Amino acid sequence: EDQVTQSPEALRLQEGESSSLNCSYTVSGLRGLFWYRQDPGKGPEFLFTLYSAGEEKEKERLKATLTKKESFLHITAPKPEDSATYLCAVQAGYGGSQGNLIFGKGTKLSVKP
Amino acid sequence: NAGVTQTPKFRVLKTGQSMTLLCAQDMNHEYMYWYRQDPGMGLRLIHYSVGEGTTAKGEVPDGYNVSRLKKQNFLLGLESAAPSQTSVYFCASRGQGSDGYTFGSGTRLTVV
Repeated sequence: EDQVTQSPEALRLQEGESSSLNCSYTVSGLRGLFWYRQDPGKGPEFLFTLYSAGEEKEKERLKATLTKKESFLHITAPKPEDSATYLCAVQAGYGGSQGNLIFGKGTKLSVKP
Repeated sequence: NAGVTQTPKFRVLKTGQSMTLLCAQDMNHEYMYWYRQDPGMGLRLIHYSVGEGTTAKGEVPDGYNVSRLKKQNFLLGLESAAPSQTSVYFCASRGQGSDGYTFGSGTRLTVV
């Protein structure tokens, strides 16, 4: 069964305190791994897609990496405006859920000034 | 602005009532999806469509029906609402050959 697990469930950081969010997955042929940001009361907003182990992508203070079993979202010197829930999702290459995104439960990040 | 529009944004239903949630996208996307999001459960796929006139079941389809009569619209219906359907519903779309999903802002539904 395709599955996505995110950890920790919640993370509280001080402004400037770097850290990482984890997304581990089991999927029938990974077609892509996605990171989204979700603010309260809003829909998920696309951040990154990673397709193969070793791939890395960056956007401002965020950097996403991918291995064969997990992905990390590294946050460097976070600011309060980075506070949000970060969602990880995988897209299977074949099987019953082919083409559809399977989401983890998310990590709620709070950055205090 | 281009994107995915969901209506209504909020709704309160009584048990047994019916309603339809509307999703409209103006990006000419082929694929459209309905998800529900519950605390501690993450986003779960209800139904999806790979093109006009086609629909398919997702992970949690029971109690819902959908229709895709026009490419730009994807409707989610609740025939007889139950308290277990209290949730936030998100619609999403993606284009042919694209892996990125675009989400709407959600519909918060409460069934009492």
